[in-house]
Amino acid sequence: DAGVTQSPTHLIKTRGQHVTLRCSPISGHKSVSWYQQVLGQGPQFIFQYYEKEERGRGNFPDRFSARQFPNYSSELNVNALLLGDSALYLCASSLAVSGPYEQYFGPGTRLTVT
Amino acid sequence: AQSVTQLDSQVPVFEEAPVELRCNYSSSVSVYLFWYVQYPNQGLQLLLKYLSGSTLVKGINGFEAEFNKSQTSFHLRKPSVHISDTAEYFCAVSARNTGNQFYFGTGTSLTVIP
Repeated sequence: DAGVTQSPTHLIKTRGQHVTLRCSPISGHKSVSWYQQVLGQGPQFIFQYYEKEERGRGNFPDRFSARQFPNYSSELNVNALLLGDSALYLCASSLAVSGPYEQYFGPGTRLTVT
Repeated sequence: AQSVTQLDSQVPVFEEAPVELRCNYSSSVSVYLFWYVQYPNQGLQLLLKYLSGSTLVKGINGFEAEFNKSQTSFHLRKPSVHISDTAEYFCAVSARNTGNQFYFGTGTSLTVIP
């Protein structure tokens, strides 16, 4: 089975622009989470979606939004980009929204804001 | 909320020597514990996890970790490291029964010296 896939791999945007990142979970996984990993830091939780509903949100501004589609794929949107949004954005999928299930991570999208 | 502290940001070790990467966590509820490895320009790969039961957990690539509830620690160990173990290692926690949002430490960079 394919793992978690993310697109695009790399992206360069200008301050003030908008960006959309995409994620496809492992087949059968209904929970998708998004993380931001700034260089030299651990991943920070942004959102969790399960069955198309937001089930958790980290400490990020409203410029960040996400959604999950009927096929469980997900998009992360960031508006009014700032230089500080430059990071590796990781998507992770899991079988369920809670319980003893590890998260499986995709390779990430490297976003550079200039 | 939960938090994770990885006490060593960088750990250099000679090839075939043992290594221990330290992780302490803080939580007001019971947690699941995980160690992930991240190779350059890649996503996170699960090394091992503690869900319940035996406090000594064995993972992939010869790694093991021991859960110590009284010291709120989950240190990662390997008796003999290889060059290929050079990578970034992240400890993570998630709360039982309230969602599997992961909270990561800041990471430990393991460098194996030939």
